[in-house]
Amino acid sequence: ETGVTQSPTHLIKTRGQQVTLRCSSQSGHNTVSWYQQALGQGPQFIFQYYREEENGRGNFPPRFSGLQFPNYSSELNVNALELDDSALYLCASSSGASHEKLFFGSGTQLSVL
Amino acid sequence: GIQVEQSPPDLILQEGANSTLRCNFSDSVNNLQWFHQNPWGQLINLFYIPSGTKQNGRLSATTVATERYSLLYISSSQTTDSGVYFCAVGVSNAGKSTFGDGTTLTVKP
Repeated sequence: ETGVTQSPTHLIKTRGQQVTLRCSSQSGHNTVSWYQQALGQGPQFIFQYYREEENGRGNFPPRFSGLQFPNYSSELNVNALELDDSALYLCASSSGASHEKLFFGSGTQLSVL
Repeated sequence: GIQVEQSPPDLILQEGANSTLRCNFSDSVNNLQWFHQNPWGQLINLFYIPSGTKQNGRLSATTVATERYSLLYISSSQTTDSGVYFCAVGVSNAGKSTFGDGTTLTVKP
């Protein structure tokens, strides 16, 4: 059984650029959730994808968008990067049922200069 | 939205000591999880515990849903227990969780 994998592990971008982060869910999991974790804070829910559709969104602007593919892997895209977007981006997978553990990848550390 | 408050924010222990971490939440929830984030950023799921008590080795957790709090107990702490412990709660599926700001635990040898 493979765990949740994310790529890249680290990324440096400049303000105004666009970035794409990738996530492969744990085998057997059809739901992917993305979180942003700023330094010294807990993760914040960005959005969730289930069966290739967005299934809930947190308090993030539309320049944060995502995709889920038929194999349940997912992408997080951020346009017009701002300095405050610098954070650890975490992907988590689950089976989508209401009483299930959440499993996280190791994250992508994004630095915006 | 739901507010999650964790206490204490920081905890320093000697190896072998016991500790209790607390998570208070502001509304009824359908799911509650405890995570340990290691120094490399990896979040490890310790417990899924919306109510009741569970034990896993030196760790145990209790959630009193009617009073809106959960406790994580760590016994005979080891240096490898160091890191940040997060409580995460939600009203729908576990993927849409609200996290607290964590308790940073440092275990000294």
